[in-house]
Amino acid sequence: NAGVTQTPKFQVLKTGQSMTLQCAQDMNHNSMYWYRQDPGMGLRLIYYSASEGTTDKGEVPNGYNVSRLNKREFSLRLESAAPSQTSVYFCASSARQGFGYGYTFGSGTRLTVV
Amino acid sequence: DQQVKQNSPSLSVQEGRISILNCDYTNSMFDYFLWYKKYPAEGPTFLISISSIKDKNEDGRFTVFLNKSAKHLSLHIVPSQPGDSAVYFCAATDGGATNKLIFGTGTLLAVQP
Repeated sequence: NAGVTQTPKFQVLKTGQSMTLQCAQDMNHNSMYWYRQDPGMGLRLIYYSASEGTTDKGEVPNGYNVSRLNKREFSLRLESAAPSQTSVYFCASSARQGFGYGYTFGSGTRLTVV
Repeated sequence: DQQVKQNSPSLSVQEGRISILNCDYTNSMFDYFLWYKKYPAEGPTFLISISSIKDKNEDGRFTVFLNKSAKHLSLHIVPSQPGDSAVYFCAATDGGATNKLIFGTGTLLAVQP
């Protein structure tokens, strides 16, 4: 009963380095999302994928790219990390129909860019 | 432009008393509202939701109230327990094809034994 799995849990990057955050869900959900959480800012949507094969920008997409690899997996890539991207990143998924249970979130990736 | 606002960053309540967490929104297209609870080092977990066609929804100790004319919703926890200590996020969606949730900034609830 894994739900949404994110890897890695922690990462330290140097400015300018690149990395990919991985996310996989086993609930057969159609939609997947990437959020970042910063103090005083709440959760802000970076990118989302409403269904397999589609991706769209959210509120704060600059500096990020995404790939919906298949129905299960949705990755977030930082091409050239900046200190402003220091944050906690959450992946989430939801079923297309209905809103009764909202999203299921992963446990997060804590990223520090130095 | 914050479409969902939680104006109280923190709230402290005695065990057994009522906790009231507030949330305001600006987008009149929002038609479904949710509350999430988040413990440190964990992802947010769904708590309770309400559709815009209702003004109240209850689930055990948790009740959400919606006032559409005021664009305001609140979460009541009665009685509050120490295990309720967490950050609570209010979220809203217009129910479109993407089911995007817009979150508030969160309120840290501390329930004192």
